[in-house]
Amino acid sequence: KAGVTQTPRYLIKTRGQQVTLSCSPISGHRSVSWYQQTPGQGLQFLFEYFSETQRNKGNFPGRFSGRQFSNSRSEMNVSTLELGDSALYLCASSLGYMNTGELFFGEGSRLTVL
Amino acid sequence: AQSVAQPEDQVNVAEGNPLTVKCTYSVSGNPYLFWYVQYPNRGLQFLLKYITGDNLVKGSYGFEAEFNKSQTSFHLKKPSALVSDSALYFCAVRDGVSGGFKTIFGAGTRLFVKA
Repeated sequence: KAGVTQTPRYLIKTRGQQVTLSCSPISGHRSVSWYQQTPGQGLQFLFEYFSETQRNKGNFPGRFSGRQFSNSRSEMNVSTLELGDSALYLCASSLGYMNTGELFFGEGSRLTVL
Repeated sequence: AQSVAQPEDQVNVAEGNPLTVKCTYSVSGNPYLFWYVQYPNRGLQFLLKYITGDNLVKGSYGFEAEFNKSQTSFHLKKPSALVSDSALYFCAVRDGVSGGFKTIFGAGTRLFVKA
């Protein structure tokens, strides 16, 4: 069974640009969560999607957005990039939204903003 | 609001010795608790979870964790550490009471096992 796939794995952008990251969950998983990981702030929750609906959102500015498609694939977008957006962005999937199952993580997309 | 605390940035242990990585939590409802491990340049991998029942939970790679409700703790343990256990460990709590679900992670504890 294929794991969670995130693309691209690495990318470099400049301030003011925008970026879109993609996440394909494990087959059959319908919930997708996004996290930002930085050395200083640790793992910060961005948002969680289930059945194409955002179910919960972390404390990030509106420049951070996401969506989920009918096949459960998800994308997140960051507009007007800032230096502080440099981070590893992790996507995780789980079977459902209301369950207490564990998260399955992808290997992340490492974003560098210059 | 839910929160997770990992009081140690780093834990050092000799190979073959027992290890403990500490975690305390705060939630408004029943705690759903998890441990994950992260190796360099990789995503997180699930180790074990506590949902209900037995306070001692066994997981992958010989790890176990003890749930203590009165102390609101969920410490990760292993009887005999291996050099290959060296990694970054995260405790997490999933709260299902605040109108939605989200999994919150602690700051992480770096485990260093010396040969």
